[in-house]
Amino acid sequence: GAVVSQHPSWVICKSGTSVKIECRSLDFQATTMFWYRQFPKQSLMLMATSNEGSKATYEQGVEKDKFLINHASLTLSTLTVTSAHPEDSSFYICSAREDPRTGGTDTQYFGPGTRLTVL
Amino acid sequence: KQEVTQIPAALSVPEGENLVLNCSFTDSAIYNLQWFRQDPGKGLTSLLLIQSSQREQTSGRLNASLDKSSGRSTLYIAASQPGDSATYLCAEECPYSGSARQLTFGSGTQLTVLP
Repeated sequence: GAVVSQHPSWVICKSGTSVKIECRSLDFQATTMFWYRQFPKQSLMLMATSNEGSKATYEQGVEKDKFLINHASLTLSTLTVTSAHPEDSSFYICSAREDPRTGGTDTQYFGPGTRLTVL
Repeated sequence: KQEVTQIPAALSVPEGENLVLNCSFTDSAIYNLQWFRQDPGKGLTSLLLIQSSQREQTSGRLNASLDKSSGRSTLYIAASQPGDSATYLCAEECPYSGSARQLTFGSGTQLTVLP
């Protein structure tokens, strides 16, 4: 089946630093990728939707300048948390939608998540 | 704005019991309804996906139903096992804007199956 990977799986950083998280679709093309955030014991909240080659669409309340999203290719999207602070500590999960134009199932496949801890 | 609600928030059952997890959603214009499993500190594992034209899907001991008219879905787990212990999330996929679609997740049901 379709596989989505995330790197790193766990990151600890000091307050004020920037952290980049990669999301890759390993065996399919994804025109659309999604970034979610999950706080402990809470559900996934959509942060933004990114389409390959265009600017991401951010959900209300998500700061564009703080969470930079780049979807430069059909298999890679990156989320950069700029000037991270302890309140940004969370579990970040990406998903990728398999492109139906290339024979895909148009289903969203989820990555394993990245645990970010900001000290 | 779509809302997805899951009841109960937590459930503890003895091994071997059959159980039902409930999910309700507000937007009837759904593309599909999905059930996921999430183990602590892990990502999501897709369990079942029900297209809007379908009423149910089955996989092994799992059966999920969809009733669009009432805005409800249930996940039935037969003969529960300790390995079924996890958080179960339902999510509805709906139109977003233009041709875009997005998933809205419920808050999950934390299931504990006692040996």
